[in-house]
Amino acid sequence: GQQVMQIPQYQHVQEGEDFTTYCNSSTTLSNIQWYKQRPGGHPVFLIQLVKSGEVKKQKRLTFQFGEAKKNSSLHITATQTTDVGTYFCAGPTTGFQKLVFGTGTRLLVSP
Amino acid sequence: NAGVTQTPKFQVLKTGQSMTLQCAQDMNHEYMSWYRQDPGMGLRLIHYSVGAGITDQGEVPNGYNVSRSTTEDFPLRLLSAAPSQTSVYFCASTDTSGNTIYFGEGSWLTVV
Repeated sequence: GQQVMQIPQYQHVQEGEDFTTYCNSSTTLSNIQWYKQRPGGHPVFLIQLVKSGEVKKQKRLTFQFGEAKKNSSLHITATQTTDVGTYFCAGPTTGFQKLVFGTGTRLLVSP
Repeated sequence: NAGVTQTPKFQVLKTGQSMTLQCAQDMNHEYMSWYRQDPGMGLRLIHYSVGAGITDQGEVPNGYNVSRSTTEDFPLRLLSAAPSQTSVYFCASTDTSGNTIYFGEGSWLTVV
């Protein structure tokens, strides 16, 4: 079945450093979504990318969808303690209601 | 704005007991789903529904039942709880365009 892997599993940075998480799918994706989950919380939708090579920015967050639509990345510039949490990518299998989630990257930011 | 509401938030069950996790959404979304989250394994789809009266299996459906009698409600039933079902359960609903999934706050279930 379709698999979505993320690396790294965990990263600990100092506040102000940059952070990147990578997402790789075993199959081509029609779109990819990114979610953030704070410790003890629930996943919250961040963004959806649809087009090959698409790049979207949300303040300090930059999201990219690969040309082959099999990989994606999330880059955070100058991390802040509020960025702490686990970041998940997710791609649809047959229909958007059947999302396959990546394993997640847990980010810890020290002040 | 309630969004997606799950109950209970915490539950401890004995092996073999049954229970129902409740989920309700007030956004008139047709699409609803249940996920479980285990350490290091991300979120895995249990069951989903594309509308009232229609349900289907996800990635890990064994040991769980669902029904969708109304657009608003999508309960998840554990038939005979097992320790392997100890997990955090999230209910979610998806808007019609499929662009955004809204998750409930989660239900922490421990089976002893």
